[in-house]
Amino acid sequence: NAGVTQTPKFQVLKTGQSMTLQCAQDMNHEYMSWYRQDPGMGLRLIHYSVGAGITDQGEVPNGYNVSRSTTEDFPLRLLSAAPSQTSVYFCASSGGTGRIYNEQFFGPGTRLTVL
Amino acid sequence: RKEVEQDPGPFNVPEGATVAFNCTYSNSASQSFFWYRQDCRKEPKLLMSVYSSGNEDGRFTAQLNRASQYISLLIRDSKLSDSATYLCAVNWASGSARQLTFGSGTQLTVLP
Repeated sequence: NAGVTQTPKFQVLKTGQSMTLQCAQDMNHEYMSWYRQDPGMGLRLIHYSVGAGITDQGEVPNGYNVSRSTTEDFPLRLLSAAPSQTSVYFCASSGGTGRIYNEQFFGPGTRLTVL
Repeated sequence: RKEVEQDPGPFNVPEGATVAFNCTYSNSASQSFFWYRQDCRKEPKLLMSVYSSGNEDGRFTAQLNRASQYISLLIRDSKLSDSATYLCAVNWASGSARQLTFGSGTQLTVLP
């Protein structure tokens, strides 16, 4: 299993551009989520999905859209990039039962810079 | 008050030392607790879950104190390779049952 994969690894955008960060998992996990990580701020939840066709907002959803058309994929769209969106973005998934119900597995991250 | 709080450190300890981190959480209804390890410029990786009875994995011991609403991580006989940032994570009752809220992390450096 590849686990959770993310593309691209690095991206530089100009203010106002849009782009999609890709996330895929091959563990048949029902739950997927997007976080951003900024220095001193920890991981902050952007959006999450509890299954195909179901998404919801997290702590910092403004400026981002998501969709979940399949169990495997959970792309994150930046609608009009702003310098405040410069961050490291992590995708995570979970799908266990019992004691591992909440255990989340992370992708390698996308480092985004908005100029 | 933040929902999940950690001492950011940094903790600088010599090899072989014992070091302990605490993480406090504000929601008494939280059910699941975890410690993650994050190396510089890498993704967080699950280190261990924290069970009510406490649990141990080699040199690492995790404990939960529901009355005082904190979890702890003890690292014995520290190795250079333990240098990393340690994040605690707590299940939040609102939103999805699988949703985790993370602390900001505690930075550990083990010195030779």
